[in-house]
Amino acid sequence: EAQVTQNPRYLITVTGKKLTVTCSQNMNHEYMSWYRQDPGLGLRQIYYSMNVEVTDKGDVPEGYKVSRKEKRNFPLILESPSPNQTSLYFCASSNSRTTYEQYFGPGTRLTVT
Amino acid sequence: SQQGEEDPQALSIQEGENATMNCSYKTSINNLQWYRQNSGRGLVHLILIRSNEREKHSGRLRVTLDTSKKSSSLLITASRAADTASYFCATADRGIYNQGGKLIFGQGTELSVKP
Repeated sequence: EAQVTQNPRYLITVTGKKLTVTCSQNMNHEYMSWYRQDPGLGLRQIYYSMNVEVTDKGDVPEGYKVSRKEKRNFPLILESPSPNQTSLYFCASSNSRTTYEQYFGPGTRLTVT
Repeated sequence: SQQGEEDPQALSIQEGENATMNCSYKTSINNLQWYRQNSGRGLVHLILIRSNEREKHSGRLRVTLDTSKKSSSLLITASRAADTASYFCATADRGIYNQGGKLIFGQGTELSVKP
């Protein structure tokens, strides 16, 4: 089954404790993105990757890092999480060079206390 | 930056009625897409309309696009309780080839369909 998976689905952590949210897709997609969703602010892109070893900042990259060492994986790293990073995070992937229809993961709900 | 503005923010209808949601945007686009999100879950792609198309159908969904007004509408006919969800429009700018497939999402319309 074609899908995007994220882990963990739920995470409660404390300020400053490094964490990684994993994302994996099995559709051989070139493009992958991370979004955060906050009430009243909609979905905002954090980082994206156009291919292996190619990443770039989205609209709200501060406080986040990503890597793309393999085509299927695109982990999101929070080196020193802060309470304002409490949010619902989505990973997405897409393939078509003409439509960019995106396939979303199920989401990771992160709470930083 | 958010460029999609959706209207209304919330819509409540009875089963069997039609639901219409509108989206406006600001820049020149390559395509416009509609997504659905059930509470707290991932978004699911519904339908895509290219900038050179004016109308598109998929099952009970009908999407229109007016590039002169920079607006789109999503019509769900004969709605069902299972259609209850948030609906988002997302635009792909003309420069999308250099942007990693970036989509800009609207804030969404919350649709509630009562049985």
